[in-house]
Amino acid sequence: GAVVSQHPSWVICKSGTSVKIECRSLDFQATTMFWYRQFPKQSLMLMATSNEGSKATYEQGVEKDKFLINHASLTLSTLTVTSAHPEDSSFYICSARSSGVPDTQYFGPGTRLTVL
Amino acid sequence: QKEVEQNSGPLSVPEGAIASLNCTYSDRGSQSFFWYRQYSGKSPELIMFIYSNGDKEDGRFTAQLNKASQYVSLLIRDSQPSDSATYLCAVNSGGGADGLTFGKGTHLIIQP
Repeated sequence: GAVVSQHPSWVICKSGTSVKIECRSLDFQATTMFWYRQFPKQSLMLMATSNEGSKATYEQGVEKDKFLINHASLTLSTLTVTSAHPEDSSFYICSARSSGVPDTQYFGPGTRLTVL
Repeated sequence: QKEVEQNSGPLSVPEGAIASLNCTYSDRGSQSFFWYRQYSGKSPELIMFIYSNGDKEDGRFTAQLNKASQYVSLLIRDSQPSDSATYLCAVNSGGGADGLTFGKGTHLIIQP
């Protein structure tokens, strides 16, 4: 149980284009999903919290107009990197919160984005 | 500013020995504590969570929590080469609704 998928697993795009990443909880419903970013040899940094049916909450320093998040259903959240630039190249990982004691986050396999 | 501190390592342990990984956190109100394992190029995989003071054992893994000292550790008994990875300590302050705050991870190497 508690499986989270991400698509695509990797993507290469040209500077200025937009990229959409999907995150799905496969065997449970997740009212809350999280988006993280990890640069090489760095830890995971929380970008935003995605709540089903409401606007995402962004961490300080994360541009909400650049990183568009949509949580359309209890099993799907999407992150769109708009007008991507080389500095956006990173490993993007989503997690979905599974209710329990305590609530636990399960991570998707990640999406490696390379912007040329 | 919530902070989670880990020794980046690498920590080198002989196969079959006990690996001890440590983590401290700054937010005294933190409620839940997690250990994730991350292989190079992969996303984190949950190993254990703990939210009460004391020890919690699961197979070869034991998590230890001391809230007074703001300290959490992970012990790996009978270390195997497949345990070689980066171990991330993560802290949740909001009872689950908040995102996790991660340490930078400790790189563990199990020597055959």
